[in-house]
Amino acid sequence: QQQVKQSPQSLIVQKGGISIINCAYENTAFDYFPWYQQFPGKGPALLIAIRPDVSEKKEGRFTISFNKSAKQFSLHIMDSQPGDSATYFCAAQGGAQKLVFGQGTRLTINP
Amino acid sequence: EPEVTQTPSHQVTQMGQEVILRCVPISNHLYFYWYRQILGQKVEFLVSFYNNEISEKSEIFDDQFSVERPDGSNFTLKIRSTKLEDSAMYFCASSTDRAKNIQYFGAGTRLSVL
Repeated sequence: QQQVKQSPQSLIVQKGGISIINCAYENTAFDYFPWYQQFPGKGPALLIAIRPDVSEKKEGRFTISFNKSAKQFSLHIMDSQPGDSATYFCAAQGGAQKLVFGQGTRLTINP
Repeated sequence: EPEVTQTPSHQVTQMGQEVILRCVPISNHLYFYWYRQILGQKVEFLVSFYNNEISEKSEIFDDQFSVERPDGSNFTLKIRSTKLEDSAMYFCASSTDRAKNIQYFGAGTRLSVL
């Protein structure tokens, strides 16, 4: 019940396209859903996050869509750029503070 | 911009040896965490620390692991007797408070157990 399932494992998108990564969770106690971006050799860096009281959050080219009833959330990267090539992790957090991470998606943006 | 600093960046050790991984959290943060990431796998929670004591730990964090905040700035993870399966990237994270949730991660220490 603590798991967060993420798909796809890898994704290749053409420059300028839309990248979409999906996550699903089971634990309804989760109340914070961040997305982290990780470049090789670096630690995860917070990209964008959402709480379940809203269905969508947008920051620049990055949007989180949140479906509370389905217990799913997704990251959309509009106008994807080669510099967006990285591994993306969704995560969930409840009152226990720890972050529960998804398996990660390796995103490659082809120029 | 303030950041979480981890040292060393790479630690090589022999099986059975003790290692200490060091972290300097962001200065006004109160909550501290260790996570690990085995190569190619997801990031896994190990332990959280607040007010000089462990607030939560995972099943991975067994008696071989310990954490300490020896002074006002450092936060350490000790593995008493390393095993081959302890080889991983270890990330330290910190957050300012529970309500805001935002955890900032260091660049990690790659631990290689031979």
